[in-house]
Amino acid sequence: DAKTTQPNSMESNEEEPVHLPCNHSTISGTDYIHWYRQLPSQGPEYVIHGLTSNVNNRMASLAIAEDRKSSTLILHRATLRDAAVYYCILRDLQQTGANNLFFGTGTRLTVIP
Amino acid sequence: ETGVTQTPRHLVMGMTNKKSLKCEQHLGHNAMYWYKQSAKKPLELMFVYNFKEQTENNSVPSRFSPECPNSSHLFLHLHTLQPEDSALYLCASSQAIGLNTEAFFGQGTRLTVV
Repeated sequence: DAKTTQPNSMESNEEEPVHLPCNHSTISGTDYIHWYRQLPSQGPEYVIHGLTSNVNNRMASLAIAEDRKSSTLILHRATLRDAAVYYCILRDLQQTGANNLFFGTGTRLTVIP
Repeated sequence: ETGVTQTPRHLVMGMTNKKSLKCEQHLGHNAMYWYKQSAKKPLELMFVYNFKEQTENNSVPSRFSPECPNSSHLFLHLHTLQPEDSALYLCASSQAIGLNTEAFFGQGTRLTVV
């Protein structure tokens, strides 16, 4: 799986939007972009994923650059419960079978009240 | 509640002990995973089971022995562990068929080896 690069940490004020960047310059045409987050003392949880088009769900939005070499996870209104480590992971579409996920160090998001 | 349950939540064991971690899912998934999360390190994928068959062993020492008796249950048998094996052990499950489906994680077992 191609590698991703994320800032180690970010801060946001409560109730404001947060843009979490991810660089994946070696992404291949068959790589999906996945985002997971890990709240304190919890296992990781799925947030969103996409291939080329921007995606929205109840948790977040995913904006994917036209060349697909970077993406941004957008939390529209940060709450204290969004404080977590956010992981950007590439997953090869052609890799069938089990959904092996390889995690990096992620971005630790701190939400300031 | 993710649908993936791990027991025990906490475990302290001596280096000569034998213990087992248990993971159970009732999501109808057919792939299950063990991950290790040490302090200050990324999650490491240890083992993958796909339809009860082990499909990945990520160079894990033999003192860790997985078992998958059916698609709903996954065990990690531990023996003669070292203090550096102290970590959070996470179980996950997902559909194996259908690409890029999401993985569901349990809350983990916090293991301390003394």
